[in-house]
Amino acid sequence: KAGVTQTPRYLIKTRGQQVTLSCSPISGHRSVSWYQQTPGQGLQFLFEYFSETQRNKGNFPGRFSGRQFSNSRSEMNVSTLELGDSALYLCASTSWTGENRAFFGQGTRLTVV
Amino acid sequence: QKEVEQNSGPLSVPEGAIASLNCTYSDRGSQSFFWYRQYSGKSPELIMFIYSNGDKEDGRFTAQLNKASQYVSLLIRDSQPSDSATYLCAVKTFDSNSGYALNFGKGTSLLVTP
Repeated sequence: KAGVTQTPRYLIKTRGQQVTLSCSPISGHRSVSWYQQTPGQGLQFLFEYFSETQRNKGNFPGRFSGRQFSNSRSEMNVSTLELGDSALYLCASTSWTGENRAFFGQGTRLTVV
Repeated sequence: QKEVEQNSGPLSVPEGAIASLNCTYSDRGSQSFFWYRQYSGKSPELIMFIYSNGDKEDGRFTAQLNKASQYVSLLIRDSQPSDSATYLCAVKTFDSNSGYALNFGKGTSLLVTP
């Protein structure tokens, strides 16, 4: 069974640019959650998509947005990048049935310069 | 706000000792509890989950859950230097408006010294 795939693994962007990150969940999992992780703040929840609908949202500005496609793949977009957006972005795939375990992708390391 | 609290550490234990990691949570209705291990620069890896009060053992790991006291712990027996990592506690909660959510603590850094 393939795991959670995030692309790209690394990105370097300039302030003011926008970026799109992709996450393909485990086959059969309908929920994709996105997290931002920085050394000082730990894992911070961005949002969760379930069956193409945003179901939960964390406390992030509107520059952070996402969507989910019918095949459960999800994209996260950050517009007008700021230096403080430099972080490891992780997505987690969950079935929310059975044992409800969440599995993480390898993450996308975003550096804003 | 559904809080999950962990001591940030670092927790330092000698090789071969038992490492004890603790986590408390605020939502009494929480249903499922998870421990993730995260090595520096890597993504979190699920190592244990527990749903019922009591102990659950898997190899050198034991998860302990006490819903009345709202805490969950992870014991690592015969600690090895390779266990040095950050351990994240996660709690599954339910909200009638938004459904299920997985809330994470900030993690405890464990250092196992040879």
